[in-house]
Amino acid sequence: AQTVTQSQPEMSVQEAETVTLSCTYDTSESDYYLFWYKQPPSRQMILVIRQEAYKQQNATENRFSVNFQKAAKSFSLKISDSQLGDAAMYFCAYRNHYTGANSKLTFGKGITLSVRP
Amino acid sequence: EAQVTQNPRYLITVTGKKLTVTCSQNMNHEYMSWYRQDPGLGLRQIYYSMNVEVTDKGDVPEGYKVSRKEKRNFPLILESPSPNQTSLYFCASSYSAGTSYEQYFGPGTRLTVT
Repeated sequence: AQTVTQSQPEMSVQEAETVTLSCTYDTSESDYYLFWYKQPPSRQMILVIRQEAYKQQNATENRFSVNFQKAAKSFSLKISDSQLGDAAMYFCAYRNHYTGANSKLTFGKGITLSVRP
Repeated sequence: EAQVTQNPRYLITVTGKKLTVTCSQNMNHEYMSWYRQDPGLGLRQIYYSMNVEVTDKGDVPEGYKVSRKEKRNFPLILESPSPNQTSLYFCASSYSAGTSYEQYFGPGTRLTVT
């Protein structure tokens, strides 16, 4: 079974600074997807960024980028120029790539990010 | 607007009183799923459905039932709720299973069982 580990329960960053959130995962599969979701106080789950395992290039979405290390099974999220609106809980998630099978997302425990003004 | 809706958003009930949380999507998605979120545990899958009349257990199915009679709806049924089912519940859907398609989440339902 796949597992996702987020070992840091909380992190804090100064506004306008850069912060990196860590995530490791365990799988025996070679083809899969990795995600970072943001959950603000509204509780809505918002997809931040997605990485396909077969792609060597790290995904980037505006101020958000990932460092995907497939051999190390590591998938960290870097938030640049942090803003007050970035304060939220962030979940790392994994999903197998099986056509026609359960698209279950396996989530880490989450990390609470606070942004200091 | 493409969305997943859940009702109710908040529910307080007593042990043993049957309840249903509705989930509906307007995107013609085949795949739908229910998750529960608990502090320190992240989100865990309860049940999922690959299409109409096709459902299966996720990781934590005990105490829950689902049905998929229509493509757009995927209700979660708690026939005899217990306090350990107090949680935040999310419904999610995607165009198809096992693909890169994004999963869309509903707004969540906060359930308290006393």
